Amino acid sequence: EAQVTQNPRYLITVTGKKLTVTCSQNMNHEYMSWYRQDPGLGLRQIYYSMNVEVTDKGDVPEGYKVSRKEKRNFPLILESPSPNQTSLYFCASSLVFGELFFGEGSRLTVL
Amino acid sequence: TQLLEQSPQFLSIQEGENLTVYCNSSSVFSSLQWYRQEPGEGPVLLVTVVTGGEVKKLKRLTFQFGDARKDSSLHITAAQPGDTGLYLCAGMTTDSWGKFQFGAGTQVVVTP
Repeated sequence: EAQVTQNPRYLITVTGKKLTVTCSQNMNHEYMSWYRQDPGLGLRQIYYSMNVEVTDKGDVPEGYKVSRKEKRNFPLILESPSPNQTSLYFCASSLVFGELFFGEGSRLTVL
Repeated sequence: TQLLEQSPQFLSIQEGENLTVYCNSSSVFSSLQWYRQEPGEGPVLLVTVVTGGEVKKLKRLTFQFGDARKDSSLHITAAQPGDTGLYLCAGMTTDSWGKFQFGAGTQVVVTP
């Protein structure tokens, strides 16, 4: 089954404790991206990647890092999480700029 | 400030009524997509419009892309409770390849 898998789905952590949200897709898509969704703001793009070893900043990259060492994986790293990074996070992939296939989301709470 | 402005933010209607959601921008988009999102899930693509002036129909849903490729609308005829959800427009401007922009979304509630 074609899918985008994110882990963890739910996480409560404390300020400053590094965490990684994993994202994996099995559709051989070149393009992958991360979004955060906050009430009233829709989805805002954090980072995107057009292919392996190619990543670029979206609209809200501050406080986040990504890497794209393999085509299927695109982890989101929060080196030192802060409460303003409490949000619902989505990973998505697509063939070049086509339909975005989204994961089920990761709800992160930073205390 | 969001590049894509959606209106209205919230729409509550009775089953059988029609509704229209608007997505506007001052920027030109290479294409626009419409997604629907249900609670606890990721957005799912409804349609992509590519050509200025294009109209696409998907059963009771009609999508239009403005002639100048700066705006789009979604019209639902005879809404049903199954149409309830958060509708999002999204796209990339012609000068920002790779950077997807999303509207803030329109929450549609259709009551029986």
